[in-house]
Amino acid sequence: DAGVTQSPTHLIKTRGQQVTLRCSPKSGHDTVSWYQQALGQGPQFIFQYYEEEERQRGNFPDRFSGHQFPNYSSELNVNALLLGDSALYLCASSFRGGSGEGRREQFFGPGTRLTVL
Amino acid sequence: RKEVEQDPGPFNVPEGATVAFNCTYSNSASQSFFWYRQDCRKEPKLLMSVYSSGNEDGRFTAQLNRASQYISLLIRDSKLSDSATYLCVVPFSGGYNKLIFGAGTRLAVHP
Repeated sequence: DAGVTQSPTHLIKTRGQQVTLRCSPKSGHDTVSWYQQALGQGPQFIFQYYEEEERQRGNFPDRFSGHQFPNYSSELNVNALLLGDSALYLCASSFRGGSGEGRREQFFGPGTRLTVL
Repeated sequence: RKEVEQDPGPFNVPEGATVAFNCTYSNSASQSFFWYRQDCRKEPKLLMSVYSSGNEDGRFTAQLNRASQYISLLIRDSKLSDSATYLCVVPFSGGYNKLIFGAGTRLAVHP
C-alpha cells in the first residue's frame, strides 16, 4: 500500500518564477492538505482540498493556489516566487469519513524541498 | 500569543534518561491533540494522539491538562533512536483537519 507521494523531491527556482508541486494521497484517502515548513519551524497550514474544492485556507497570499483532481491527487502552485518561499512543502492526506474532529489521522508525504535563489 | 508554543530545546540527554516536553495551546475549545515526531529532513509522523486526560504507549506518555491548556510528552528510558524533533499539534477548532503545529522541541540522546 503506497503512502503519500510527492514530486519532485527537490527544486531550485529563481525569484519571480512559478512552481508546481504534486501530491498523490494514500490509497483510500480523499482529502489533501498542504503545509509549508521553513527551517527550524513547525509546518504551517496552507490550504486543504476535498471534493476538488478548497475547503480551508491558512494565512498565505493568493500567489499560493491549488487544485485537486478526480483521483484525489493535488497540485500546489506558487507564482512570483520570493526568497522567503524557500521551504519544505509537505502534503498530508486523510479520509474525511473518520469519526470525530481531529481523529482523522493525517499522513504526510516526504515533502518537496524548494530553494528560491 | 502563539496558538501552540513549545520549548525549542535542544534537550541533550544520556541514554536511559527520562525527558519531558511541554506544550501550551491558546484555543480552549480544542478537543484533541497530537504529538508528531520528525527526523532530520524527513516528514512528520504521528507518535501519539491525546483525546482525554492522557495516553500511554510503551515508553511514551502524553498528558493533557485542559484547565491549564497544557500538554506534555514524557519519554522514559531514552534510546539513541529517540533523537528527533517532537512537534506538538492541535487541530484547529471548527476547522476540518487543519493542524496547528508548534515549532518543535529537539531531542538529542547521546551514549
